[in-house]
Amino acid sequence: SYELTQPPSVSVSPGQTARITCSGDALPKKYGYWYQQKSGQAPVLVIYEDSKRPSGIPERFSGSTSGTMATLTISGAQVEDEGDYYCYSTDSSGDHGVFGGGTKLTVL
Amino acid sequence: QVTLKESGPALVKPTQTLTLTCSFSGFSLSTSGMRVSWIRQPPGKALEWLARIDWDDNKFYSASLKTRLTVSKDTSKNQVVLTMTNIDPVDTGTYYCARLTEGNWGQGTLVTVSS
Repeated sequence: SYELTQPPSVSVSPGQTARITCSGDALPKKYGYWYQQKSGQAPVLVIYEDSKRPSGIPERFSGSTSGTMATLTISGAQVEDEGDYYCYSTDSSGDHGVFGGGTKLTVL
Repeated sequence: QVTLKESGPALVKPTQTLTLTCSFSGFSLSTSGMRVSWIRQPPGKALEWLARIDWDDNKFYSASLKTRLTVSKDTSKNQVVLTMTNIDPVDTGTYYCARLTEGNWGQGTLVTVSS
């Protein structure tokens, strides 16, 4: 079955740029979405359709896709950005959803 | 304003069938393009996509769970129901319903499978 691959963890200092990648064969054809999840809470959408930012999400969050790799970039990461980040997309048919394994972002 | 809320039993015995209901407002699942998905998350683990039902009643399931899952909708009640058969302790976790591409999620409901 289709898989999305993320690094298990990323660590940056406050103010640095954090980049989280997500690799999947169908990403050139299917949109990628990024979710932030903090402990005990439901996920929050931070990027949709590869690079669009929902209202209320800080401008420091951005997304891009190149080939089979989607990237979430947090420019000037802040302590409050710590949490787990998941990419989401579908297989090439568009019928089956899939989440990446999640990346734990540490900002300290 | 779109809201979704999951409901169902907090404790289920192994081999039983789990039935979860997603009650939503702010949209109609009879409107073209609308979709609702089910996702689960075992304690301390990653999100897992389970199933999706579309406005036209098309249904899609995780390949690894498709023999155990059934999703249905009641458009008049604004509800989506997920059933999972032959429950096992590894099915313990928080179950969410969501409109994934719009970023609308329920609060989740914790299901524990134990005898």
